Amino acid sequence: QSVLTQPPSVSAAPGQQVTISCSGSASNIGNNSVSWYQQLPRTAPKLLIYDNDKRPSGIPDRFSGSKSGTSATLGIAGLQTGDEADYFCGTWDSSRSVGIFGGGTKVTVL
Amino acid sequence: EFQLLESGGDSVQPGGSLRLSCAASGFPFKKYAMSWVRQAPGKGLEWVSGIRVSEDETFYADSVRGRFTISRDNFRNTLYLQINALRVEDTAIYFCARDLFFFMDVWGQGTTVTVSS
Repeated sequence: QSVLTQPPSVSAAPGQQVTISCSGSASNIGNNSVSWYQQLPRTAPKLLIYDNDKRPSGIPDRFSGSKSGTSATLGIAGLQTGDEADYFCGTWDSSRSVGIFGGGTKVTVL
Repeated sequence: EFQLLESGGDSVQPGGSLRLSCAASGFPFKKYAMSWVRQAPGKGLEWVSGIRVSEDETFYADSVRGRFTISRDNFRNTLYLQINALRVEDTAIYFCARDLFFFMDVWGQGTTVTVSS
């Protein structure tokens, strides 16, 4: 069971928007920045969002991140079939000095 | 181009040992923290271990502490993970990643460790 809680799956039609939540606690999300990763089938994870809401170069602005208190959210707007993947949130847990990831959310484009 | 290339994965019996390597290129390796992340078959990501620029600062997940040792060779631009007393539940793809504390912006393609009798 992951320390960070994500919904197992979300789905929407092409062009629609989905949001993925990531719930933690004061010792992790509450006191540290959150990052988000996309993992396409049979590939390595790819950084989508860092420092809660920043996008690396090359990541389209359809992807957005936010954080409030002990929760974070990834938004994907204008959903495309190429967005079908697993998405993971991650952060540092200060009380245990360990990195942690959410259990992952599978995005399906209907 | 930033690149990380893992090697050393193998099929081993429970109780065995392996040393994983991660060769870095395209960026000043000695200036970056690094991490190992694993993914068991059909499962999510699990952070395993991290090492700061100074080799004195290392961190481990509870599930591997005491069995795994992370290290780095800044002259060879290589990250290592020594894994001992392997268990069936250590079976996974092991990724190395450049860690900007705490987000990972460069990932290798992974090396597979299979523990089975």
